[in-house]
Amino acid sequence: GAGVSQSPRYKVTKRGQDVALRCDPISGHVSLYWYRQALGQGPEFLTYFNYEAQQDKSGLPNDRFSAERPEGSISTLTIQRTEQRDSAMYRCASSLAGVGTEAFFGQGTRLTVV
Amino acid sequence: DQQVKQNSPSLSVQEGRISILNCDYTNSMFDYFLWYKKYPAEGPTFLISISSIKDKNEDGRFTVFLNKSAKHLSLHIVPSQPGDSAVYFCAAHRGGSQGNLIFGKGTKLSVKP
Repeated sequence: GAGVSQSPRYKVTKRGQDVALRCDPISGHVSLYWYRQALGQGPEFLTYFNYEAQQDKSGLPNDRFSAERPEGSISTLTIQRTEQRDSAMYRCASSLAGVGTEAFFGQGTRLTVV
Repeated sequence: DQQVKQNSPSLSVQEGRISILNCDYTNSMFDYFLWYKKYPAEGPTFLISISSIKDKNEDGRFTVFLNKSAKHLSLHIVPSQPGDSAVYFCAAHRGGSQGNLIFGKGTKLSVKP
């Protein structure tokens, strides 16, 4: 696709429910990143993949958060048993290769846990 | 502990004048720095970057300066235009195998006509 696509754009869920956020990176991009951004803050790193391999998941807040990229393209970030503090903008980015090269961000998924 | 700091949450500049956005960092292992620009309801878009082995990189109206001894970088926009009004994020990359960027909190730039 022309850019990084994320779906849904907005998600409202009840506390305790599981949610799955999808990211469709730019075609051919090796690296895919997930970030979380709270209001008035910069993006905060969660995890990243090179191809299908999860290279770094040190930013995932706890074991309710997981991510996968099984075929090295589309990625899903899953949050189990959502809590209100999980409410944030979740952003996906992709780049041709990792290590500091230009990453292109999607428009994000605004998650609200009520 | 904020490793990348943008201490000015906002900046207002007159059209045609210079905008200077500042960023400080604490980790001397950062090897690459990037500036991203973000409009409302959009994702951040890459603007300009600089490697830690350089002290200046210029691209049109945008210049980034890096002062490693002071652990400080700045983005200069000359001349500023109303379309430059956005939130600007400074980001830093740690050398080695880690592929993530560490972002500052952003500075909202307003360019007045």
